[in-house]
Amino acid sequence: GAGVSQTPSNKVTEKGKYVELRCDPISGHTALYWYRQSLGQGPEFLIYFQGTGAADDSGLPNDRFFAVRPEGSVSTLKIQRTERGDSAVYLCASSLSTGFGETQYFGPGTRLLVL
Amino acid sequence: GNSVTQMEGPVTLSEEAFLTINCTYTATGYPSLFWYVQYPGEGLQLLLKATKADDKGSNKGFEATYRKETTSFHLEKGSVQVSDSAVYFCALLDTNAGKSTFGDGTTLTVKP
Repeated sequence: GAGVSQTPSNKVTEKGKYVELRCDPISGHTALYWYRQSLGQGPEFLIYFQGTGAADDSGLPNDRFFAVRPEGSVSTLKIQRTERGDSAVYLCASSLSTGFGETQYFGPGTRLLVL
Repeated sequence: GNSVTQMEGPVTLSEEAFLTINCTYTATGYPSLFWYVQYPGEGLQLLLKATKADDKGSNKGFEATYRKETTSFHLEKGSVQVSDSAVYFCALLDTNAGKSTFGDGTTLTVKP
């Protein structure tokens, strides 16, 4: 079946602009996660959803970052007033549930470059 | 908070050599442990996992054992191939929350 998909695959924007990154999880997966990966580092947790609600947004770096999942499927990560330090690969993952030991399946990521 | 420390890379081996990539963790409670692999130009893929102490995860000739006493989850393979060249990430999943904590990754290059 189809895996997690993310669009766009690459995004170049100018400092101060607004961007939206989209994630389509695996069908039937109730949990959805966003991570950010900087060069040479492992993914860093941003936020996760169980259904439509954000269960933990403790990883969002500041109030310029916001994510939604209005119908419990597709999610959008929104970044306002982008800064050069926001440049990274943004990864989305989904899992069947948030049960013990549940595997998270990752998408290919969106590479964001802020000029 | 939770943390994962991986052996620093890069690691370069000849084909058929033995591989060990060290991983240690700090966590409250009883996390599940994972190894993910990222091949060049591809996304993160689950390689193997273990959900409780003394469990051994295995896949594609790779193995790792969940050692609670040493808080470790070292990745091993007896005979590496050129196709194993990739970046390997150790991660833990907090049992009380949905989020994973990752190490910084170890780049493995296998030469013919």
